[in-house]
Amino acid sequence: GQQLNQSPQSMFIQEGEDVSMNCTSSSIFNTWLWYKQDPGEGPVLLIALYKAGELTSNGRLTAQFGITRKDSFLNISASIPSDVGIYFCAANAGGTSYGKLTFGQGTILTVHP
Amino acid sequence: GAGVSQSPSNKVTEKGKDVELRCDPISGHTALYWYRQSLGQGLEFLIYFQGNSAPDKSGLPSDRFSAERTGGSVSTLTIQRTQQEDSAVYLCASSSQQGGTEAFFGQGTRLTVV
Repeated sequence: GQQLNQSPQSMFIQEGEDVSMNCTSSSIFNTWLWYKQDPGEGPVLLIALYKAGELTSNGRLTAQFGITRKDSFLNISASIPSDVGIYFCAANAGGTSYGKLTFGQGTILTVHP
Repeated sequence: GAGVSQSPSNKVTEKGKDVELRCDPISGHTALYWYRQSLGQGLEFLIYFQGNSAPDKSGLPSDRFSAERTGGSVSTLTIQRTQQEDSAVYLCASSSQQGGTEAFFGQGTRLTVV
């Protein structure tokens, strides 16, 4: 089945550092999404990408939809303590798979003040 | 409310009992999804409703799991004869667009089967 390989699994960084995480797949997707989940909460959408090659920013966050449509990355610049959480990539293949988001395993981010 | 609402937030049940989990999607959203998240894991797709179309049930792990959506709004996920491996957080999401894009999640129901 379709799988997303998300890396790294966890990151421990100092406040102010930049962060990069990515997702890859052997399958092609039409939409890539990045979510953040805080403890005890549902995932919150950060960025949505709809076109291959698209680069989108949301404040300190930047994400790109890979040109091959098989990968995406998320960068966080100048990290702050509230960036702590689990970050998930998700993707939708469209077609007969519309409505079904496939999720990566998540990247646990810890930011030391 | 403005967001996706799920109830109960926590449920502890005995093995073999049936449970019902409820989801109130964002008003006007035509698409509704159920996902399951086991401890430390990503999200596992269970079922998808879109308008009046037949639901995509391809993610339901066994015939003990079923879901319905009444009146195109509220949804109930039912797990019959619960097993310990059913313990997880069950997340509901809704979307205003087809294709599963920009889904907004509720806080989830943490189910513990003892």
